[in-house]
Amino acid sequence: AQSVTQPDIHITVSEGASLELRCNYSYGATPYLFWYVQSPGQGLQLLLKYFSGDTLVQGIKGFEAEFKRSQSSFNLRKPSVHWSDAAEYFCAVGAVGATNKLIFGTGTLLAVQP
Amino acid sequence: GAVVSQHPSWVICKSGTSVKIECRSLDFQATTMFWYRQFPKQSLMLMATSNEGSKATYEQGVEKDKFLINHASLTLSTLTVTSAHPEDSSFYICSARDGREGRHEQYFGPGTRLTVT
Repeated sequence: AQSVTQPDIHITVSEGASLELRCNYSYGATPYLFWYVQSPGQGLQLLLKYFSGDTLVQGIKGFEAEFKRSQSSFNLRKPSVHWSDAAEYFCAVGAVGATNKLIFGTGTLLAVQP
Repeated sequence: GAVVSQHPSWVICKSGTSVKIECRSLDFQATTMFWYRQFPKQSLMLMATSNEGSKATYEQGVEKDKFLINHASLTLSTLTVTSAHPEDSSFYICSARDGREGRHEQYFGPGTRLTVT
């Protein structure tokens, strides 16, 4: 079955500290992988995506993610967190094909301490 | 670029009435749009996939007669919640897929908060 797992429901980091949000997926085909961020009461903003090629992808706001096929993972990282990064982060996987349906993880809520 | 709008951003309606939510792609043509539902502190649940000019494809467990979807143009899809009940209260989010060749991203609208009293 297709699924996305974000093991950490809630993470708190100090401002300026590094961040890694975990994402594991189970998918039968070649996946497209995405990270989205959602601020309270808002829609989702795309941080970065992986389709093919270099397994380390750079996104907006200083985020990066690394695709590791052997581990079925696509973890999101940021070297230095800012208070404005506090939000909910969703990992998603989609099919290589026409349907483009996305399967979302349950999300990780990031809190940033001053 | 790639902006998706939703209207209204929030709506309160009485039980038994219907409410329509619009989703527009403002600067690109969206051959496919998606409707999601999000409960508080939970992830997004795909309700249906809407293709321009054809019937929507609903996910298992989603009542197509209750959640009417129309995708009349390449920039507009609507979701109508018919005979709304309090349990339909939720955050509804649409997304639009860029129809150009090789583009796979979905761009999300800001969401619509529906409260049924």
